Amino acid sequence: SQQGEEDPQALSIQEGENATMNCSYKTSINNLQWYRQNSGRGLVHLILIRSNEREKHSGRLRVTLDTSKKSSSLLITASRAADTASYFCGYTGNQFYFGTGTSLTVIP
Amino acid sequence: DAGITQSPRHKVTETGTPVTLRCHQTENHRYMYWYRQDPGHGLRLIHYSYGVKDTDKGEVSDGYSVSRSKTEDFLLTLESATSSQTSVYFCAISEASLDTQYFGPGTRLTVL
Repeated sequence: SQQGEEDPQALSIQEGENATMNCSYKTSINNLQWYRQNSGRGLVHLILIRSNEREKHSGRLRVTLDTSKKSSSLLITASRAADTASYFCGYTGNQFYFGTGTSLTVIP
Repeated sequence: DAGITQSPRHKVTETGTPVTLRCHQTENHRYMYWYRQDPGHGLRLIHYSYGVKDTDKGEVSDGYSVSRSKTEDFLLTLESATSSQTSVYFCAISEASLDTQYFGPGTRLTVL
């Protein structure tokens, strides 16, 4: 399987702290995307980073990409209770793959 | 949910019965996808479509078939449902093959 892996599987932090989650993938990629899923809902796109980019920012989100290590990280700064969700990386090899997800709980 | 609907939203069926799930989009996007989501596995691609009547298999296509006769509709069929196909099914769309995907609300299918 070309499915990626994310760690940690679960993360619990206090409101205001930063949250970092990591994605390891197995193929050469064109781009890598991060998605959020609230309980019982579909995935929502957060940010896309292309294979020739190393870092990208969007609001409180910071994504890094290291193609030599086939890894990416998502940093959420100054977390809020509303950030509680599962986060998935998605990437394109010969088709689209998702990682196994990180469940983030932000405690008010 | 970006103009994507899925029907039904919930379904309970028995082993051996046929089941069809429908995905409908109003965005006129070329690409459509069916995923299943299971605990510990994340999302896995079942089939995708890159145009009307153009479909291809994903990572977990066994036991599933798809059809796309119109740009806006993508159907997923389980010819003879099995308990291992109990899952949450998501449809997604994108403008291009490597582009951002937009997801529907999901269909929870239980096969008894």
